[in-house]
Amino acid sequence: NAGVTQTPKFQVLKTGQSMTLQCAQDMNHNSMYWYRQDPGMGLRLIYYSASEGTTDKGEVPNGYNVSRLNKREFSLRLESAAPSQTSVYFCASSEATGYLQYFGAGTRLSVL
Amino acid sequence: GQQLNQSPQSMFIQEGEDVSMNCTSSSIFNTWLWYKQDPGEGPVLLIALYKAGELTSNGRLTAQFGITRKDSFLNISASIPSDVGIYFCAGQGDYGGATNKLIFGTGTLLAVQP
Repeated sequence: NAGVTQTPKFQVLKTGQSMTLQCAQDMNHNSMYWYRQDPGMGLRLIYYSASEGTTDKGEVPNGYNVSRLNKREFSLRLESAAPSQTSVYFCASSEATGYLQYFGAGTRLSVL
Repeated sequence: GQQLNQSPQSMFIQEGEDVSMNCTSSSIFNTWLWYKQDPGEGPVLLIALYKAGELTSNGRLTAQFGITRKDSFLNISASIPSDVGIYFCAGQGDYGGATNKLIFGTGTLLAVQP
């Protein structure tokens, strides 16, 4: 009964390094999302994928890229990490856009 | 970007007390959601509201969808230590072009002293 699984749970990067955050869901959901959470800011949408094969920008897409690898997996890539990208990243999925979203446990990223 | 105004920012209460928090928006929403986030975890859905005026309960939690569709309220009765966490409201719906995306409030941090 995993739901939404994110890896890694913690990561420390140096400025300029790249990395990919992984997300997988086992609920057969069509839509998947990436959010970042910063203190006092709530959650802000980075990118989303309404269905397999499609991706769209959210509120704060700059500095990120995404790949909807298949129906289960949706990855978030930082090509050249910056300290401003220090945050907690959450992946979520839903049956379709407009339906209830279920969240993973998060990836805590620090960029030094 | 748009965010919802959530208040209070934080609450420090004694076990057994009732808690109220609210969320307001300048735009209308078709759905209001309330999530709870435990330390080190992701948000977990508590209550979903789909109609203006709707009042829904989940155990000791009660939430209401405001009549104007621009606000929502969450009440927790007889708080217990495991209620500690951050509570987020979220609105979903037609708010100016980007339908179906969730807009989150800034969160209410709840601390419960035994």
